[in-house]
Amino acid sequence: DTGVSQDPRHKITKRGQNVTFRCDPISEHNRLYWYRQTLGQGPEFLTYFQNEAQLEKSRLLSDRFSAERPKGSFSTLEIQRTEQGDSAMYLCASSAPTGAWTEKLFFGSGTQLSVL
Amino acid sequence: AQRVTQPEKLLSVFKGAPVELKCNYSYSGSPELFWYVQYSRQRLQLLLRHISRESIKGFTADLNKGETSFHLKKPFAQEEDSAMYYCALKVGWGKLQFGAGTQVVVTP
Repeated sequence: DTGVSQDPRHKITKRGQNVTFRCDPISEHNRLYWYRQTLGQGPEFLTYFQNEAQLEKSRLLSDRFSAERPKGSFSTLEIQRTEQGDSAMYLCASSAPTGAWTEKLFFGSGTQLSVL
Repeated sequence: AQRVTQPEKLLSVFKGAPVELKCNYSYSGSPELFWYVQYSRQRLQLLLRHISRESIKGFTADLNKGETSFHLKKPFAQEEDSAMYYCALKVGWGKLQFGAGTQVVVTP
């Protein structure tokens, strides 16, 4: 499978613990995105990288959240001191821009986080 | 404020019947809209985008700026169309505002 891969698929943690998720985009894609999806809702934008530069962060991304893409390839999303409200599906997507208005996002399968 | 509204959480239709999924948006700029679909146990994937004016798997969607709508339509629903459908509005580079989604169930 040469699509976007995310690891782990599921993560169960206790409140207050730190967790880290990994995303490997499609190899030739220079843009990488993190979204969060809670039950009954559509995905919500968290942050966006172009190569290694983090260009935008949502207000949803509190100080406990940090994302990196050190070499412009894979990315990690870390949540410190997890809270029950962090329980959600964390989706990664990547894209290769083909023009100003024709971006197509390729999503991974997501990491389901449960905070107990 | 930018917003995407999908008023129907669940749409149940019979095979062969027409299906229409509603999407309304609020956006101050020039809108670019998409429909994404998630089939059971599969990833979220792009179905179609208004700028391409294409028909994918028999689905079409027309942007109506006057009514601020981007409804998704198919004249004859098939069982394989059963899925979760999300309308999305582009609000920045790679930044999509998704609606809450509509679950479509096609019964034989």
